[in-house]
Amino acid sequence: NAGVTQTPKFRILKIGQSMTLQCTQDMNHNYMYWYRQDPGMGLKLIYYSVGAGITDKGEVPNGYNVSRSTTEDFPLRLELAAPSQTSVYFCASRKDSTDTQYFGPGTRLTVL
Amino acid sequence: GQQLNQSPQSMFIQEGEDVSMNCTSSSIFNTWLWYKQDPGEGPVLLIALYKAGELTSNGRLTAQFGITRKDSFLNISASIPSDVGIYFCAGQRNYGGSQGNLIFGKGTKLSVKP
Repeated sequence: NAGVTQTPKFRILKIGQSMTLQCTQDMNHNYMYWYRQDPGMGLKLIYYSVGAGITDKGEVPNGYNVSRSTTEDFPLRLELAAPSQTSVYFCASRKDSTDTQYFGPGTRLTVL
Repeated sequence: GQQLNQSPQSMFIQEGEDVSMNCTSSSIFNTWLWYKQDPGEGPVLLIALYKAGELTSNGRLTAQFGITRKDSFLNISASIPSDVGIYFCAGQRNYGGSQGNLIFGKGTKLSVKP
């Protein structure tokens, strides 16, 4: 049981490049989340999904897109990378009936 | 966007000392959660609180859900070197359009002097 896995672990992008951050969970959780964590700050919600085919914006969605075609996968897409998107990105998932969110190990992204 | 006020931001303590940190909010939450984040890792849940006034322990950790539902406290007794890390509080509301989503504090960075 791997829990929540994220790839890649590290990535450096040039301004204007695009990339997809992958997130997969094997716990059959309906709810999935993407957060970003900036230095000295807490986690801020980018997008979330309450089930396959359903996504919604969080607190800081600008510059990102998501999709949820399966229960297991919740990729985060950056279309035109900007320096302000330099951050550590965490994916999380939870069951319907519990409050615990399980976090992945994170992806450290640098945009130069 | 709303963010919880967590304090202190950082602290250095002598091994064996007790530690206290807290989180406050201008609005109420149904659930308070405390997470710990080790360097290079994602946050891991330590304690979840579901009722106002609730006091819950997990080993050397004790957390309380404030009576007003606008605050929470975490205490660590007899700190050890592996307590080093960043501790986050998070509040959750079980109503409204963002039902179940978490609001995080900025974290308390704990460093222990060996």
